[in-house]
Amino acid sequence: EVQLVESGGGLVQPGGSLRLSCAASRFTFSSYWMHWVRQAPGKGLVWVARINSDGTRTNYADSVKGRFTISRDNAKNTVYLQMSSLRAEDTAVYYCTRGGAPRDFDIWGQGTMVNVSS
Amino acid sequence: QSVLTQPPSASGTPGQRVSISCSGSSSNIGSNTVKWYQQFPGTAPKLLIYLNDQRPSEVPDRFSGSKSGTSASLAISGLQSEDEAGYYCATWDDSLNGFVFGTGTKVTVL
Repeated sequence: EVQLVESGGGLVQPGGSLRLSCAASRFTFSSYWMHWVRQAPGKGLVWVARINSDGTRTNYADSVKGRFTISRDNAKNTVYLQMSSLRAEDTAVYYCTRGGAPRDFDIWGQGTMVNVSS
Repeated sequence: QSVLTQPPSASGTPGQRVSISCSGSSSNIGSNTVKWYQQFPGTAPKLLIYLNDQRPSEVPDRFSGSKSGTSASLAISGLQSEDEAGYYCATWDDSLNGFVFGTGTKVTVL
C-alpha cells in the first residue's frame, strides 16, 4: 500500500524551531512533487509549501516564506519541513501529501501535530 | 483569508442531491483545474475529483464535479449517511504562485 508517514511534531515555544519528516513507501518517491499542508484546530486546509521531484524548485505560502524550508532526500524517500521563528498561529496538524498534476494531493499522511505555546 | 469561497454548510436527506459551490477568480479557478477533497473529523483528506470533473476509480459515481468560468461545483447525488463530512475545493493560483484551498463546507445528512 502506498504510504506517507509524518513525524517530528510536538510542543515548541514561540520563536523556536522544529523539523518535520515524512517517509514515503511503495511508490517511486523521486518521481513526484511533494507538499506540506496544514490545518489549525477546527479550521480549514492551508497549503504550506512544495518541492519538485529532484529538489531544485520550491514554493511557499506567503505566511511561512522566510521561516520554513522544505527539502527532500530521495535516497531516504523522505521530505522535510524545517520550521523556525515559530508563532502561535503556526499551531496545526501538518500533513505531507503527494503532488504532481493532474492528481495533486492524491496520497496523504496521517498528520503530525505542532503546538506553538509558552 | 482563503481566496476560494465555499458555503460553510450544506445539508440534505438521504437520497437527495446536494451541491457545493467554490467561487474564485481569474488567477485561480479561471485559469487552472479544480480538485475536490473529502475529510472526516480527525482524519486526512481524500481526493474526490481532479481535472474539474474526473473521479479516481475508487470514488463512487454519485460524486461529480464541474467548472464554469471562475466557479466550480461539487454535486453529491443520492446522498448517503456516510457522505457526512467536510469538503474542500483547491486549485493553483497564478498570482500567489501557490495552491489555494476553499474555506470548506460541512455536509450534514438529516
